[in-house]
Amino acid sequence: GAGVSQSPRYKVAKRGQDVALRCDPISGHVSLFWYQQALGQGPEFLTYFQNEAQLDKSGLPSDRFFAERPEGSVSTLKIQRTQQEDSAVYLCASSFRPSGGAAVQTQYFGPGTRLLVL
Amino acid sequence: RKEVEQDPGPFNVPEGATVAFNCTYSNSASQSFFWYRQDCRKEPKLLMSVYSSGNEDGRFTAQLNRASQYISLLIRDSKLSDSATYLCVVTPTSGTYKYIFGTGTRLKVLA
Repeated sequence: GAGVSQSPRYKVAKRGQDVALRCDPISGHVSLFWYQQALGQGPEFLTYFQNEAQLDKSGLPSDRFFAERPEGSVSTLKIQRTQQEDSAVYLCASSFRPSGGAAVQTQYFGPGTRLLVL
Repeated sequence: RKEVEQDPGPFNVPEGATVAFNCTYSNSASQSFFWYRQDCRKEPKLLMSVYSSGNEDGRFTAQLNRASQYISLLIRDSKLSDSATYLCVVTPTSGTYKYIFGTGTRLKVLA
């Protein structure tokens, strides 16, 4: 079946420009996650949604980063006034059930959006 | 100190070799552990979960040592197709959805 999809796959932005990154999770998956992966590093957690509720946004690096999932399926990560340090791969992941507590769900990752800020 | 640490490598090994990676974690209350594989410019994919009793999947064996706070991955009879970056993942008790990744260990299997 279809996996997690993300668009665009590549984005070049000028410093100061706003960007929006889209994630389509696996159909029926309740939980959705965003990660940021800098070159040569492992992914770092940004935020977590359970359906449309954003339950954890502790990893968002600044108030320029904003994520939403208004209908509990597709999610958008928006970065305002992009800076060069925002250049990274932004990965979206989803899992079937609500995550947390003792229940650890496997997260399935999308191919990522590679953002380059010039 | 990072929460999850891995030797970045690269580990260059000949086909057929056995190779092992370790990953150390700092939070003794960590809940769950995984190994993910990431090919160049691709997304991470789950390789295997790591259980307290250790577990094996074909040529791959994962071990957890809670006392010393590390997990390991052993690959036997390496194939060219095993060349990838292997990411260690730990989840904290307070938020098991929050995957904490290591930097990853690069493996190159040489013909």
